[in-house]
Amino acid sequence: EDQVTQSPEALRLQEGESSSLNCSYTVSGLRGLFWYRQDPGKGPEFLFTLYSAGEEKEKERLKATLTKKESFLHITAPKPEDSATYLCAVQAGGGSNYKLTFGKGTLLTVNP
Amino acid sequence: GAGVSQSPSNKVTEKGKDVELRCDPISGHTALYWYRQSLGQGLEFLIYFQGNSAPDKSGLPSDRFSAERTGGSVSTLTIQRTQQEDSAVYLCASSLPANVLTFGAGSRLTVL
Repeated sequence: EDQVTQSPEALRLQEGESSSLNCSYTVSGLRGLFWYRQDPGKGPEFLFTLYSAGEEKEKERLKATLTKKESFLHITAPKPEDSATYLCAVQAGGGSNYKLTFGKGTLLTVNP
Repeated sequence: GAGVSQSPSNKVTEKGKDVELRCDPISGHTALYWYRQSLGQGLEFLIYFQGNSAPDKSGLPSDRFSAERTGGSVSTLTIQRTQQEDSAVYLCASSLPANVLTFGAGSRLTVL
């Protein structure tokens, strides 16, 4: 069974204080690893897809990296508007390759 | 439409009543998903529709849950004889085949 574990559950940063969120996974044949951002009262919003170990993607203050066992979402010099819940999900290969298995998320709060 | 539209945004019902939740996917998206997000839990896969293929209903938690998709577009998730444990946010997402999921804002269901 595919599993995704995110840590920490919650993270509080000061504006400008860089940090990383972790997503550990077990999956039978990784097809893709996804990062989403979710604001209160809204649906998840797509950030990145990573497909193979060693791959990195960046968007503004966010950078996602992938190894064979985990992914990191690095946040550089965060701003209060980066406050949100960050969700990680994996998509396995095989017959049910359309399904995403999600972690419980990391609630990030950035204080001004 | 420009995004995935869900209605109602909020629904409060009494235990034992039936509820229907509606999802309007992005025009042209052939894949449609329902997920459930309970407090403190990750997104839980419920059901997947792809074109005219038989849906994957493997995530439906009990036979009180059913879903249909009419004309390859609008989908309705029905919960019969609601229980308090059904209280959650029900998220709909749509995509092109093998593509990124775009989520709606969700329908928050509260069962009293």
